[in-house]
Amino acid sequence: QKEVEQDPGPLSVPEGAIVSLNCTYSNSAFQYFMWYRQYSRKGPELLMYTYSSGNKEDGRFTAQVDKSSKYISLFIRDSQPSDSATYLCAMSMSGGSNYKLTFGKGTLLTVNP
Amino acid sequence: DSGVTQTPKHLITATGQRVTLRCSPRSGDLSVYWYQQSLDQGLQFLIQYYNGEERAKGNILERFSAQQFPDLHSELNLSSLELGDSALYFCASSVDGVPYGYTFGSGTRLTVV
Repeated sequence: QKEVEQDPGPLSVPEGAIVSLNCTYSNSAFQYFMWYRQYSRKGPELLMYTYSSGNKEDGRFTAQVDKSSKYISLFIRDSQPSDSATYLCAMSMSGGSNYKLTFGKGTLLTVNP
Repeated sequence: DSGVTQTPKHLITATGQRVTLRCSPRSGDLSVYWYQQSLDQGLQFLIQYYNGEERAKGNILERFSAQQFPDLHSELNLSSLELGDSALYFCASSVDGVPYGYTFGSGTRLTVV
């Protein structure tokens, strides 16, 4: 079993839809949870991060972490064609001096005008 | 421009050859991370350097090696290349101490023929 599982999609939605992206994980030592967006031929860019459990909102984006279920989600409201990209979840342990990230494989999202 | 510079952007080489990928971190960042992204494995952590010293190793093959120089730029050396080494190689840099402080470069696309 991989440490982080993410449905690769692809996911295709109409403009204005609410998008839900999810990841599950197996390592209970993960404390930092991040969502990255990657456009074609570009490096990943950080969208949001959450420490431990809870929700975090930033504009049209909401990140949720449920550590009891080892499940994280990213919601995109009022999706736009510019949101079309691959979304990667990433996780890291707390403490120490190495903050390597463990990524899901990514979900390819297309928002159709 | 993320501030992390990777060269070259594309590289095509034959099996058995050796290549060097270069990364200049964002100004002020002391940590450099190398990741490999392939379709079947997703983004995989290879190695981390902090201020010139190796700090952590991930799934890096023995044929691969890296170093970080006094000016903080880093090089990833890939030798005895195989077809399966074809992938996107990303460098990221960060301010030490937080896992959500990564900035990724645009990557080097390596094709082994």
